[in-house]
Amino acid sequence: QQPVQSPQAVILREGEDAVINCSSSKALYSVHWYRQKHGEAPVFLMILLKGGEQKGHDKISASFNEKKQQSSLYLTASQLSYSGTYFCGTGTLGNQFYFGTGTSLTVIP
Amino acid sequence: DGGITQSPKYLFRKEGQNVTLSCEQNLNHDAMYWYRQDPGQGLRLIYYSQIVNDFQKGDIAEGYSVSREKKESFPLTVTSAQKNPTAFYLCATQQGFPTDTQYFGPGTRLTVL
Repeated sequence: QQPVQSPQAVILREGEDAVINCSSSKALYSVHWYRQKHGEAPVFLMILLKGGEQKGHDKISASFNEKKQQSSLYLTASQLSYSGTYFCGTGTLGNQFYFGTGTSLTVIP
Repeated sequence: DGGITQSPKYLFRKEGQNVTLSCEQNLNHDAMYWYRQDPGQGLRLIYYSQIVNDFQKGDIAEGYSVSREKKESFPLTVTSAQKNPTAFYLCATQQGFPTDTQYFGPGTRLTVL
């Protein structure tokens, strides 16, 4: 039931790009992306709804492939402030909400 | 000033004591959730409530109890039956539907001495 995220962890140098994937075994209505800094609560980044849309702000964007029950988060030209753990949250067609396994992202100078 | 408040931020308790963590919201959201997070781990659901006077167990409810007497409040009690209660506890709210976004409070870090 819990969506699986990949990779589990990634280390980048400033300016490099990263892709984080979220894969669900259930049919999805919505996908929500969060970032959690160490010792803090997760912060909501964006929501994608059924319809296969792509969204983004600044240099962080995401896509949602409802047929494959997958979403991807794209971070381009990474900054030190992007470091943290990224979680996807999935709203299923069965009206359930599950958080993914998490991806630790570290950006180094 | 809308938001979700959790208190206290840090809490210390002796073994064998019950302790209650507060979660209050003024977002007028229907659903409220409690999660536990251990170091380097993901979010595990303890309890959730979709309407007042009703709540459901999550994946790790043993050793915890909740109440939902008011829409704004969803306190969590960590009882002495919880074997390893040291963790970061997060409260979240959700507007109406289970597919809506969940928003988190700042969290309470509980340490058992």
